[in-house]
Amino acid sequence: AQSVTQLGSHVSVSEGALVLLRCNYSSSVPPYLFWYVQYPNQGLQLLLKYTTGATLVKGINGFEAEFKKSETSFHLTKPSAHMSDAAEYFCAGSEPNSGGYQKVSFGTGTKLQVIP
Amino acid sequence: DSGVTQTPKHLITATGQRVTLRCSPRSGDLSVYWYQQSLDQGLQFLIQYYNGEERAKGNILERFSAQQFPDLHSELNLSSLELGDSALYFCASSVEGRAYNSPLHFGNGTRLTVT
Repeated sequence: AQSVTQLGSHVSVSEGALVLLRCNYSSSVPPYLFWYVQYPNQGLQLLLKYTTGATLVKGINGFEAEFKKSETSFHLTKPSAHMSDAAEYFCAGSEPNSGGYQKVSFGTGTKLQVIP
Repeated sequence: DSGVTQTPKHLITATGQRVTLRCSPRSGDLSVYWYQQSLDQGLQFLIQYYNGEERAKGNILERFSAQQFPDLHSELNLSSLELGDSALYFCASSVEGRAYNSPLHFGNGTRLTVT
């Protein structure tokens, strides 16, 4: 079964610094992976999704994720943090359930704090 | 704007009561998912519907039930409410149930407070 693990429930970076949020997935062929962002008092929004065959996936707001099959990782990065990036980020994996319908599992989330 | 509408935004009620949360999915989406988000449990999958039929159950209590109507809107019914049911309840929708690379589109949630 597909599952995702996010390392670090809280990450703090200085404004302008590199953002790195970690996600590892359990093996599943092919992996269907996503990153979502949740701003306070809002629902989750899609940042990006993995496309089969890609190693680097670009998303919105300058975020990108690198897919590394050898490390079963799908880490999220942004070269330069902005204050507006402060939010909670969720890695998610999708797979068929027993009836063949989409089952989406979310990681436990990482809260990103950006320090001015 | 995700296109998913949830009502009400906030709900305050007493223990033992029953409430109904409503969700209208994004236009064209046939699949609806319900999630519960709380500080201690994180984001928990409750139940999924596809085109009116229940397709998957997660950590949904027996006191909770849901349905999806012919017009594809969905309702989540929570009864015999307990203090521990206080949480954010999210509805999400996707295009169809078997496209595993389809992202979910979330509403802004209903914040339930049980006093």
